[in-house]
Amino acid sequence: SYELTQPPSVSVSPGQTASITCSGDKLGDKYAFWYQQKPGQSPVLVIYQDGKRPSGIPERFSGSNSGNTATLTISGTQALDEADYYCQAWDSTMGVFGGGTKLTVL
Amino acid sequence: QVHLVQSGAEVKKPGASVKVSCKTSGYTFTGHYIHWVRQAPGQGLEWMAWINPNSGATNYEQNFGGRVTLTRDTSTSTAYMDLRTLKSDDTAVYYCARVRVGGVPGDGFDFWGQGTLVSVS
Repeated sequence: SYELTQPPSVSVSPGQTASITCSGDKLGDKYAFWYQQKPGQSPVLVIYQDGKRPSGIPERFSGSNSGNTATLTISGTQALDEADYYCQAWDSTMGVFGGGTKLTVL
Repeated sequence: QVHLVQSGAEVKKPGASVKVSCKTSGYTFTGHYIHWVRQAPGQGLEWMAWINPNSGATNYEQNFGGRVTLTRDTSTSTAYMDLRTLKSDDTAVYYCARVRVGGVPGDGFDFWGQGTLVSVS
């Protein structure tokens, strides 16, 4: 079955750029999606189709996807961006999530 | 505005079944696939299945061994997830989620239910 791999944790200082990677076999041939989840809340879609932002998502969130790696980039990271982030892709019509990355802003 | 409202928390014994509902509003129910995703305590998101509310067609993650069944009621714009033969490791928050793009099973999930905690003990 298809697998997506994320680093368990990423740390960033306020105002700096955070990058969270997601690796999978030929992931660049698929669309990648990213979700933000804060404790006790439902996930929120922050990037769809590799690099598009839903309405209401700040411009500091961006995404790219090429080769075997998709990347979520948060520019000018703020304290409120501290959360778990999950990548997701489709293996045919089956959904696959990465294991999640805890972003710490300190 | 779009809302997905799920049924309340459940406590079940091993071997029992649970049925979770997801009542939608604010959009055309039959126009967007509904997926179910679960999250065990302290763990990541796990995709389970989808249903096409228009046709009733379904697709399931094989790891659940046929224990999951998705249904829908178009008259009430409600989707249902039935999980049978519960085990302790089925303890999780179960979410329903709507696909952003109408008429396709696989795209981003733009609206999520609030989650339903199912405890198996």
